[in-house]
Amino acid sequence: GDSVTQMEGPVTLSEEACLTINCTYTATGYPSLFWYVQYPGEGLQLLLKATKADDKGSNKGFEATYRKETTSFHLEKGSVQVSDSAVYFCALSDGYSGGGADGLTFGKGTHLIIQP
Amino acid sequence: EPEVTQTPSHQVTQMGQEVILRCVPISNHLYFYWYRQILGQKVEFLVSFYNNEISEKSEIFDDQFSVERPDGSNFTLKIRSTKLEDSAMYFCASRGTSGSTDTQYFGPGTRLTVL
Repeated sequence: GDSVTQMEGPVTLSEEACLTINCTYTATGYPSLFWYVQYPGEGLQLLLKATKADDKGSNKGFEATYRKETTSFHLEKGSVQVSDSAVYFCALSDGYSGGGADGLTFGKGTHLIIQP
Repeated sequence: EPEVTQTPSHQVTQMGQEVILRCVPISNHLYFYWYRQILGQKVEFLVSFYNNEISEKSEIFDDQFSVERPDGSNFTLKIRSTKLEDSAMYFCASRGTSGSTDTQYFGPGTRLTVL
């Protein structure tokens, strides 16, 4: 079945440091890939997405490129802020299943802590 | 901006009791989902719902669980006889169109505590 593997956290960085959170996946079809963010005490918010190979999703200074050859969708940001502290989830939706009702498959989440 | 809402935000219940978690999806959306997140663990898919019937369900979604869209706006998850291990955050999500490329929008969650 489908699966998503993320680097384990917590990841602790200083403000203005560069960030990379690794995400790799396995899927039977042609998945769409997502990064969701969960701030303390809140629900899941879509951060960015990419729907086909070589697409780059970007939002709020974060970006991730859909790499089919390496089955990866790593999240990057050039300069993190304290307000970026949250849990980040990589997820996929497998287009092969069809029907449009697919559930998302999530990674375990990476807790990011940014220190001032 | 339209959003998914969930009530209650926190539900405490005794083991063996029935609970109903409520969700109001975004009004023009057609696909509805429930997920759960046990504390410290990943978000897990429970069930998807389209055209008034279940489209897909996971192994977690056993006979203790049921979903319903009782009217044009609400989407509910019922747990018939709660167990300690049902304690988790439950998220509702909705999506507008067919195709896995469209985004699922999540509600803020209901924290269920089973004592």
